[in-house]
Amino acid sequence: AQSVTQPDIHITVSEGASLELRCNYSYGATPYLFWYVQSPGQGLQLLLKYFSGDTLVQGIKGFEAEFKRSQSSFNLRKPSVHWSDAAEYFCAVGAHLTGNQFYFGTGTSLTVIP
Amino acid sequence: DADVTQTPRNRITKTGKRIMLECSQTKGHDRMYWYRQDPGLGLRLIYYSFDVKDINKGEISDGYSVSRQAQAKFSLSLESAIPNQTALYFCATTSGRNTGELFFGEGSRLTVL
Repeated sequence: AQSVTQPDIHITVSEGASLELRCNYSYGATPYLFWYVQSPGQGLQLLLKYFSGDTLVQGIKGFEAEFKRSQSSFNLRKPSVHWSDAAEYFCAVGAHLTGNQFYFGTGTSLTVIP
Repeated sequence: DADVTQTPRNRITKTGKRIMLECSQTKGHDRMYWYRQDPGLGLRLIYYSFDVKDINKGEISDGYSVSRQAQAKFSLSLESAIPNQTALYFCATTSGRNTGELFFGEGSRLTVL
């Protein structure tokens, strides 16, 4: 069965510090992986996605993520966090070729302190 | 204007009432989804539709029904609302021809008293 695990419910970082949000997935085929961000009162916005090729993908707002097949992970990183990055982050796995069913993790809430 | 529009954005209702949440999109996508978001549970799929004649249950469809009135419109109904259906509901769309990115509406917050 497909599943996505985000082990960290809540993370607090200082502005300017680096950030890594963890995501592990369970999927029977080649995964299509996504990170979405949800700002307060807003819908979800795509940060980045991985389908194939280079395992390090770049996204918007200075985020990047690395796909590690051996670890079934797709961790999100940012070298220097800004106060505006405070939001909820969701990792998702999808099956483009088998019907676009998407499975989401439970989310990680990020707080940024000055 | 938003590409994916949900109405109403907020609704308070009473137990037993019928509620409809509506979603319309201008992206020309064929695939539409309804998700429910609860704190600590992430997003869970209620129903999805790949075209007007194709409706599929998601992981938590009990107590909900949907209607795909047109390619651009996908409505979610609660025939008899109950308090544990209090949640934030999202509509999302994607194209079967693209790389799978979901485009979300801004959400409909439903409170059932």
